[in-house]
Amino acid sequence: DARVTQTPRHKVTEMGQEVTMRCQPILGHNTVFWYRQTMMQGLELLAYFRNRAPLDDSGMPKDRFSAEMPDATLATLKIQPSEPRDSAVYFCASGLVSGAITDTQYFGPGTRLTVL
Amino acid sequence: GQQVMQIPQYQHVQEGEDFTTYCNSSTTLSNIQWYKQRPGGHPVFLIQLVKSGEVKKQKRLTFQFGEAKKNSSLHITATQTTDVGTYFCAGDWRTGTASKLTFGTGTRLQVTL
Repeated sequence: DARVTQTPRHKVTEMGQEVTMRCQPILGHNTVFWYRQTMMQGLELLAYFRNRAPLDDSGMPKDRFSAEMPDATLATLKIQPSEPRDSAVYFCASGLVSGAITDTQYFGPGTRLTVL
Repeated sequence: GQQVMQIPQYQHVQEGEDFTTYCNSSTTLSNIQWYKQRPGGHPVFLIQLVKSGEVKKQKRLTFQFGEAKKNSSLHITATQTTDVGTYFCAGDWRTGTASKLTFGTGTRLQVTL
């Protein structure tokens, strides 16, 4: 049963520290999404990639956040420096998009980040 | 940017009662997807609607896409405690090849015996 995996599942850090979250998309999927979920803002799209190329990162604070896909099996989301307002659950999702068809997004279990 | 409004934000029902959540977009959608998130879990895909006026059923769940493709609903008949969770609609406006989903605010469903 193919799944999206995310590490770490939980992260507690202090303000100012760098945080790196990792995601392994489902093998064969060509699209990867990063979302942030908070009680106040709900599910927000931060960035997404197709065939490893960034398509849209307009939802991401550029000064401190960065997202990359060094290869097809790994996506990373970094926050440097982290701030208490970054505390949230970060989800990675992957999907298979062919042409103009939007496919299902398969979500990982999320990384619960707490910045003190 | 594009927005999807979802109502109600929260609903508490007795087991056996029906439940409906509504999703609205100000502009025409190319398609809409529905997801369920259990407490402490991650969103899980339920269904995708593409055609105007489309109706799909999954056991006690009925999904509708409006004729104008601007609104959608999810109706659960005779709720059970296993239906507890937050239901999200996610709209796709299909801008060229950069298709992406915008999630609604979600409706949290609580079911008690």
